[in-house]
Amino acid sequence: GEDVEQSLFLSVREGDSSVINCTYTDSSSTYLYWYKQEPGAGLQLLTYIFSNMDMKQDQRLTVLLNKKDKHLSLRIADTQTGDSAIYFCAESSGGSYIPTFGRGTSLIVHP
Amino acid sequence: GAVVSQHPSRVICKSGTSVKIECRSLDFQATTMFWYRQFPKKSLMLMATSNEGSKATYEQGVEKDKFLINHASLTLSTLTVTSAHPEDSSFYICSAIRDPLYGYTFGSGTRLTVV
Repeated sequence: GEDVEQSLFLSVREGDSSVINCTYTDSSSTYLYWYKQEPGAGLQLLTYIFSNMDMKQDQRLTVLLNKKDKHLSLRIADTQTGDSAIYFCAESSGGSYIPTFGRGTSLIVHP
Repeated sequence: GAVVSQHPSRVICKSGTSVKIECRSLDFQATTMFWYRQFPKKSLMLMATSNEGSKATYEQGVEKDKFLINHASLTLSTLTVTSAHPEDSSFYICSAIRDPLYGYTFGSGTRLTVV
């Protein structure tokens, strides 16, 4: 099946930028998503990007897409302790649109 | 918009009993809902696709007789874990999609503990 890979952990200091990386294998991916999951909660859609876009910025969040390398990244500027959570990368393609998720990156923000 | 409500958020039950989890789309109609199971430090595993008015589609390896899904209306899907055992303890999350443009909306999840 199609795979979505992401590193499992990232630790940063408060105020620094965080960059979470993701790679995927499905060349027909249409939508790429970043979800945030806080402890004991469901997933919250943070942002998304179409496969025909290179970059999307939304306040402190910047998504970069390298379609050639099938690489997606999420940059969080001025990371705060409240950003500590698990971040899931997901992709979906035309047809069912059922997303395939990565295993999630646990972001730990130190004061 | 696009809110999905899931109840209960946490449930503890005895082995052998059944537990029902509800998933509601509050401000949109969802002909299709999805049920995921999340293991510790693992990604989300899609269990089944719930279709309004018809049978659910189960993923390979998911026991349909153990995880009963009913999608009786355009805003409600239920997952019943029958004859629960400790190995069924997990975090179950439902989701629905209003428009792929906006991604899937997830419920807040249900932590099931079987003792």
